[in-house]
Amino acid sequence: EIVMTQSPATLSVSPGERATLSCRASQSVSSNLAWYQQKPGLAPRLLIYGAFTRATGIPARFSGSGSGTEFTLTINSLQSEDFAVYYCQQYSSWPPLTFGGGTKVEIK
Amino acid sequence: EVQLVESGGVVVQPGGSLRLSCAASGFTFDDYTMHWVRQAPGKGLEWVSLITWDGGRSYYADSVKGRFTISRDNSKNSLYLQMNSLRTDDTAFYYCTKDMGAHVSFDYWGQGTLVTVSS
Repeated sequence: EIVMTQSPATLSVSPGERATLSCRASQSVSSNLAWYQQKPGLAPRLLIYGAFTRATGIPARFSGSGSGTEFTLTINSLQSEDFAVYYCQQYSSWPPLTFGGGTKVEIK
Repeated sequence: EVQLVESGGVVVQPGGSLRLSCAASGFTFDDYTMHWVRQAPGKGLEWVSLITWDGGRSYYADSVKGRFTISRDNSKNSLYLQMNSLRTDDTAFYYCTKDMGAHVSFDYWGQGTLVTVSS
């Protein structure tokens, strides 16, 4: 099973600043990585797939990078609606499909 | 508009059984693999199971293998999860999700249904 590790667990950022979230895989997942955003009380929403391709309707301030075992989700100029929990998910080797533990982006 | 609507979540005793349903609309249901993903209250996401477009193949997380069964009825645009021998650690929101196709990720999610296993 591929273990996904996200860091930090919590990131405190001021509105308008940049947030950089990390996701590490226990073995290479190539570019088979997705990112999701989840707000309180709501289902997750797909942000990024294929490590860097934005899903339909996702603003350009969200960008994904990386391959192999190291991945980054960058959120430029954080908006109020971006404060949420973010999860990465690998789909290189399954079952099982596995998620990281999440990074909470909170207002500083 | 794609819609996934789960139902069936209730409070059930340990050892009990439950069947969750998911009604899909807004896309060609029988073109896509479908999944169940769960989230214990206040915790992270856990993939539970998937079933291919024709129901020919299904896969499970080790934590539910042998206890849960995923199925689908393409004539009714519906996905199901039969849950047996329920344990307290099965308590979670269960989300029905649509597979993207080329990428085994989840491009649409239902609102979730809460299963509580408690005596």
